[in-house]
Amino acid sequence: GQQLNQSPQSMFIQEGEDVSMNCTSSSIFNTWLWYKQDPGEGPVLLIALYKAGELTSNGRLTAQFGITRKDSFLNISASIPSDVGIYFCAGQLIGSARQLTFGSGTQLTVLP
Amino acid sequence: DAGVIQSPRHEVTEMGQEVTLRCKPISGHNSLFWYRQTMMRGLELLIYFNNNVPIDDSGMPEDRFSAKMPNASFSTLKIQPSEPRDSAVYFCASKSHAADYGYTFGSGTRLTVV
Repeated sequence: GQQLNQSPQSMFIQEGEDVSMNCTSSSIFNTWLWYKQDPGEGPVLLIALYKAGELTSNGRLTAQFGITRKDSFLNISASIPSDVGIYFCAGQLIGSARQLTFGSGTQLTVLP
Repeated sequence: DAGVIQSPRHEVTEMGQEVTLRCKPISGHNSLFWYRQTMMRGLELLIYFNNNVPIDDSGMPEDRFSAKMPNASFSTLKIQPSEPRDSAVYFCASKSHAADYGYTFGSGTRLTVV
């Protein structure tokens, strides 16, 4: 079953606003990833984090790997209409092979 | 690079029929994953292969589900017999051992069993 708690489940924001979402777990992860899924498509990797405390940016996106290795957040600044979609966190548990565990997703709606 | 290619994009079938979903991973990728996505359960890993060998199929829900990877460029996920509760979007993803994380997902097959 799911081992990642992702929140919020959904968000409605105005264009231009900043957005923050996060994932937490009771387990320790080696790696945290953030994906975006557009309607009718598969998830696409946005940011990958490999070390505790790591802060990484990709354009208007910023993500951090929590110090405890049990959480991560994703921030989107100055949102635009094309940011609409479902955002998933994913992580690799310590001791697991190559498979990832996915969060339940955050549905983002950007209002004009 | 054509990415991960899945077919068909949509499948509507009657309960009890056999369904076969197909996937062509990115050339050179050694690992292949089958996921199922539903509103209730999100993304669930069904099975994954390394170098064409099934490594972990603990996510396969029942014996009605089977997956094969006869060669490095092709995999199938079969459901026989299909049931309405199998309706979902099925994703295939692939990854290279040499790369850091970040699976590449296909566009998915939306399966509807009526």
